This record gives sequence, structure tokens and C-alpha cells, in this order.
Amino acid sequence: GAVVSQHPSRVICKSGTSVKIECRSLDFQATTMFWYRQFPKQSLMLMATSNEGSKATYEQGVEKDKFLINHASLTLSTLTVTSAHPEDSSFYICSALGTSGLNEQFFGPGTRLTVL
Amino acid sequence: KQEVTQIPAALSVPEGENLVLNCSFTDSAIYNLQWFRQDPGKGLTSLLLIQSSQREQTSGRLNASLDKSSGRSTLYIAASQPGDSATYLCAPRTSGTYKYIFGTGTRLKVLA
Repeated sequence: GAVVSQHPSRVICKSGTSVKIECRSLDFQATTMFWYRQFPKQSLMLMATSNEGSKATYEQGVEKDKFLINHASLTLSTLTVTSAHPEDSSFYICSALGTSGLNEQFFGPGTRLTVL
Repeated sequence: KQEVTQIPAALSVPEGENLVLNCSFTDSAIYNLQWFRQDPGKGLTSLLLIQSSQREQTSGRLNASLDKSSGRSTLYIAASQPGDSATYLCAPRTSGTYKYIFGTGTRLKVLA
């Protein structure tokens, strides 16, 4: 149980285009999901907390107009990178908060974004 | 602001050795701490989760300990195998939030 999927796993786009990444909790409902970014050989940095039915909470330094987050259902959160530029190339990972008393986070497999 | 440091940054050992990976964090007000494994270009696999009230957790050849007051956690890997080669990340969760702050990771290579 507690599986989180991401789609797509890899995406290559041209500079200036927008890219949408989906994060789904497959066998549980997640009112809270998280989006992380990981640059090569660096650790994961939390970008934003996504709450179902309300606005996302962004970490300091993350542009909310550039990284649009929508959490319209209990099993789906989307991250849209708008007007992507090469510096946005990174590994994007989402996680979903489990519903057990442990409040464990379950991570997706990640999406590799390359902006040309 | 929570800061998490992992030592060593990289480690290369022959197969069969017992290993200790260290994690230190600056804010001891944590709810729990998770250890993860990340293979190159892949997502995270949760290894162990220790609640703030616990001292250790074990799963197979893995044992994680937590000393919350001193801001330290260790991951012990017994009888290492080449398949254990990966990056290991620790992540304490700040009390009162759902946020996990990740350490810099330890890149482990176990040689056959």
C-alpha cells in the first residue's frame, strides 16, 4: 500500500514553454502533498506544501507565479512550471502524507525536467 | 531554521563490512525522523521512521537510532552488500509541521 506515482517520469521542453507534472496517491487519499526539487548531487529542497481544496504554501524563495500548484482532489496534485528556462532543469519529487497515525510521507519516483 | 548534516559525504567499503552513517540536526524539536535510500536518478525509498519518543528502529540489516536531545541519528548497516550502494538521506520532521528537512546525504559504494 501507500504508493505515489508521478507522470511524466521524464520531460524535455523548449525554453519558454510550460510543463505540468502530476502526482497521484494510488491507494490512499492525501489531503496534503509536498513538492521538492533536487539539483544534481544536492539534497531535496522543499518547494511547497499542497493542501486539497486550498492554496499551496510556498517556501521562501520559491516563485508562486512560476511554480503553479493545484490540489483539486484527494489523490491528485499538479505542479506546472510556467515559462520554463534552462535553470529550471531539475529532478522534481512529490510526496503524499499518509493517513495512519505515523503521518509518514510517501514519495513518488520523481520527474526529470530538462529545459533546452 | 533546521539544518541537517550527514557525515561522511561519501563512503566506499568492501562487501561484508558493518557501517555507521551519521546525521546531525540543529533543532531538536522534531516530531520524527526518517531515513531514506535514493538510487541514482530515482525517487526515494523509505527505510526507517523513528518517532521522537523512540530511541531506535530496526528493519532487517538496518538499525537506526535517535538521540533527539543531542540532535543526532545514526543508521547502522550490518554485513553490507553491493546492492546497498546508494545515497542515504536523513530527514527530521519539524514539530508542529509536516515539513521534512533533508540532509546532504551519504553516497555509499559497497565493493564486491
